[in-house]
Amino acid sequence: GEDVEQSLFLSVREGDSSVINCTYTDSSSTYLYWYKQEPGAGLQLLTYIFSNMDMKQDQRLTVLLNKKDKHLSLRIADTQTGDSAIYFCAEIGGYKLSFGAGTTVTVRA
Amino acid sequence: GAVVSQHPSWVICKSGTSVKIECRSLDFQATTMFWYRQFPKQSLMLMATSNEGSKATYEQGVEKDKFLINHASLTLSTLTVTSAHPEDSSFYICSAQATGTPKVDNSPLHFGNGTRLTVT
Repeated sequence: GEDVEQSLFLSVREGDSSVINCTYTDSSSTYLYWYKQEPGAGLQLLTYIFSNMDMKQDQRLTVLLNKKDKHLSLRIADTQTGDSAIYFCAEIGGYKLSFGAGTTVTVRA
Repeated sequence: GAVVSQHPSWVICKSGTSVKIECRSLDFQATTMFWYRQFPKQSLMLMATSNEGSKATYEQGVEKDKFLINHASLTLSTLTVTSAHPEDSSFYICSAQATGTPKVDNSPLHFGNGTRLTVT
């Protein structure tokens, strides 16, 4: 998705926090999403945030939204080996989701 | 939670043959389903929007005669790749939006696990 940009790779040590960043362009986006894709599998919705919120926390996941800068981030606390995957941010523009290219997170021991 | 079943999970076919991929919502009704294509190490590209009881809406650059979509019921949409060629090899993913929810803007979609298509 050219309208949604993410860094492509992130390497993190097990137990540390991971922060994945995303920028989007559609200021009318009402919802922004984070999806996780494990190898060979479909997408799993991790969390989403309403555009009128600044932060949402769900167990180890914290989503921060800076609507002024159109910047979205996902923080994973206490990263585990099972968190190794590709993470996509997505925004609703009109009737369809636009995805970023995905950030490949590699967790090292 | 809402479950979307996609079948088959992988398929190998010969050039020139057709392949049908099914997308089923198992515990909810879906008026709208979406078909995506994903190339290796790339994001998902929306191919078409499938609407129950009506013709699918294709994204620009997607050949509707090549990728036939049928959404015959509120729980099933199919994508048929006709006269497949090696360049059609890809990972195809469907998603479904539950009927009765607010507009898609307000509802996350539920994804199938994808179908790996290899055309030889």
